[in-house]
Amino acid sequence: EADIYQTPRYLVIGTGKKITLECSQTMGHDKMYWYQQDPGMELHLIHYSYGVNSTEKGDLSSESTVSRIRTEHFPLTLESARPSHTSQYLCASSDSGTGEETQYFGPGTRLLVL
Amino acid sequence: AQSVAQPEDQVNVAEGNPLTVKCTYSVSGNPYLFWYVQYPNRGLQFLLKYITGDNLVKGSYGFEAEFNKSQTSFHLKKPSALVSDSALYFCAVRSLDTGRRALTFGSGTRLQVQP
Repeated sequence: EADIYQTPRYLVIGTGKKITLECSQTMGHDKMYWYQQDPGMELHLIHYSYGVNSTEKGDLSSESTVSRIRTEHFPLTLESARPSHTSQYLCASSDSGTGEETQYFGPGTRLLVL
Repeated sequence: AQSVAQPEDQVNVAEGNPLTVKCTYSVSGNPYLFWYVQYPNRGLQFLLKYITGDNLVKGSYGFEAEFNKSQTSFHLKKPSALVSDSALYFCAVRSLDTGRRALTFGSGTRLQVQP
């Protein structure tokens, strides 16, 4: 079944640690996105990718970085986590071939930095 | 620039009553419009979209939305609310005609359906 996956679902980590949030999709979509969402609040686009080796920063400045080496994989990395990074991170993907590019979301990773 | 406004932080409705969640948008050119729902501790789930054609769009779980170009609105509706519809709802827009390739989301509206 085609889907979009995020791991871990929950992560509690100490300040200064390096973390990588994983996102993978099996739908063959060319575009992928990372959003940051505080609990019960609006989404902010922090990174997006149009395809392999293509990444761009989104509307909200973020200290995280992303890579797109494979079409299906779009990991997000924080080199040194801080309490201000505590949030929910949502990954999404879309197919530019459809025209309207409906985005499909993963279940999210809830990050708590102590 | 493109933007979305969801003027109500929360909508309360009794089970069995009709519900409306409001959304207005601003884009250059023609819009693609979307509604998503988010249940607690979950990602966003696609409900419905307007691309072109009939102004009344039907989606999942009995939801529908009406596109009104003159009022630049795309309100979400359901004839009879269920307690299980209680969730956070997001409206989103993308322009067909500009280079911006990502969706812009509204701030979300929490729907509370009382038994």
